[in-house]
Amino acid sequence: AQSVTQLDSQVPVFEEAPVELRCNYSSSVSVYLFWYVQYPNQGLQLLLKYLSGSTLVKGINGFEAEFNKSQTSFHLRKPSVHISDTAEYFCAVRERLTQGGSEKLVFGKGTKLTVNP
Amino acid sequence: EAQVTQNPRYLITVTGKKLTVTCSQNMNHEYMSWYRQDPGLGLRQIYYSMNVEVTDKGDVPEGYKVSRKEKRNFPLILESPSPNQTSLYFCASRLGTVTEAFFGQGTRLTVV
Repeated sequence: AQSVTQLDSQVPVFEEAPVELRCNYSSSVSVYLFWYVQYPNQGLQLLLKYLSGSTLVKGINGFEAEFNKSQTSFHLRKPSVHISDTAEYFCAVRERLTQGGSEKLVFGKGTKLTVNP
Repeated sequence: EAQVTQNPRYLITVTGKKLTVTCSQNMNHEYMSWYRQDPGLGLRQIYYSMNVEVTDKGDVPEGYKVSRKEKRNFPLILESPSPNQTSLYFCASRLGTVTEAFFGQGTRLTVV
């Protein structure tokens, strides 16, 4: 079974600083990878996804992530954060449960990003 | 507007009193899922459904039931709620394998 590890449970940064949120997954066999963001008192919203092709994926709000197959990583980055980026971020990987059948998203435990002025 | 709607948003109930959390999507999605979110544990899948009348257990199904009689609706049923089911619940839907999941706004359930 797939597992997703988000190495940092909390990341505090100052406004306009760069940030990297780390994510590692357990298997490199045909994975689809996602980053979701959850703002306070809201549901999850897709930031970006990797399905195939270019290993550098650009998402909304200036975020990007790089798929690294050899390191089984999918780290999320932003060169300059804003106060409004304060939220919880979840990395997820699609796991196929049966051949040609059901599947599910496996989530990491989340990283709380706090951007301070 | 494409959306997943959950009701209620907040619910406080007593142990043992049956309750249902509704979930409805207007995007004609095949896949629907229920998750619970607990601090430090992330999101864990409770049940999922690949289509009408097709449901299966996720990682933490104990104490929950679901049904999928219509494509758009996927209610979560707690027959006899217990305090350890106090959590934040999310319903999600998606069209297929590589498409993004759309999440509802969440239902915060407290069982006393």
